[in-house]
Amino acid sequence: EAGVAQSPRYKIIEKRQSVAFWCNPISGHATLYWYQQILGQGPKLLIQFQNNGVVDDSQLPKDRFSAERLKGVDSTLKIQPAKLEDSAVYLCASSRSPGVGGTEAFFGQGTRLTVV
Amino acid sequence: AQSVTQLGSHVSVSEGALVLLRCNYSSSVPPYLFWYVQYPNQGLQLLLKYTSAATLVKGINGFEAEFKKSETSFHLTKPSAHMSDAAEYFCAVSPSGSARQLTFGSGTQLTVLP
Repeated sequence: EAGVAQSPRYKIIEKRQSVAFWCNPISGHATLYWYQQILGQGPKLLIQFQNNGVVDDSQLPKDRFSAERLKGVDSTLKIQPAKLEDSAVYLCASSRSPGVGGTEAFFGQGTRLTVV
Repeated sequence: AQSVTQLGSHVSVSEGALVLLRCNYSSSVPPYLFWYVQYPNQGLQLLLKYTSAATLVKGINGFEAEFKKSETSFHLTKPSAHMSDAAEYFCAVSPSGSARQLTFGSGTQLTVLP
């Protein structure tokens, strides 16, 4: 079974530029998450999708961050314009539909963003 | 609301020694608890999870953790450390019976000394 795929692996941009990250979840996984992991911290949830609908985006800085999951499969996360404090690893994860029993979230390798 | 606290951002052990990584949780509902490992430049890999079945949970690579409700703890242990265990370890909590949103601790970097 193929894992969660993310691209690019690394990205360096100047502040005020825009950037986009792509995620392809595990086949059949209805739930998709984007996490932000700042150096030295644990990952923090940015947004959660169930199929192509947003379940929770309460911690997404909507003035500059946007995400979509068209057709309920692949997802893109965009930052426009980027700030220095956006430097972090952006992790995508996916899981089967939520339900009793605690389904596991599988993580991609992440995209390391450096804003200079 | 839920949160986890990992005591000790850095832990060093000698190869062959006991590994003990501490995690305490706070949750307003019965929690699911997880331990993830992250190797350099890699994503997170699930080590083990507690989902209200047995309180002693065995995971991959010889790790195990015990859920102690009275202490609100879910400490990770391994009897004998191996050099390949050097990595960062994250404890995480999610509310049971709902979407799998994870709230992570700040992580513990494990160093294994030869």
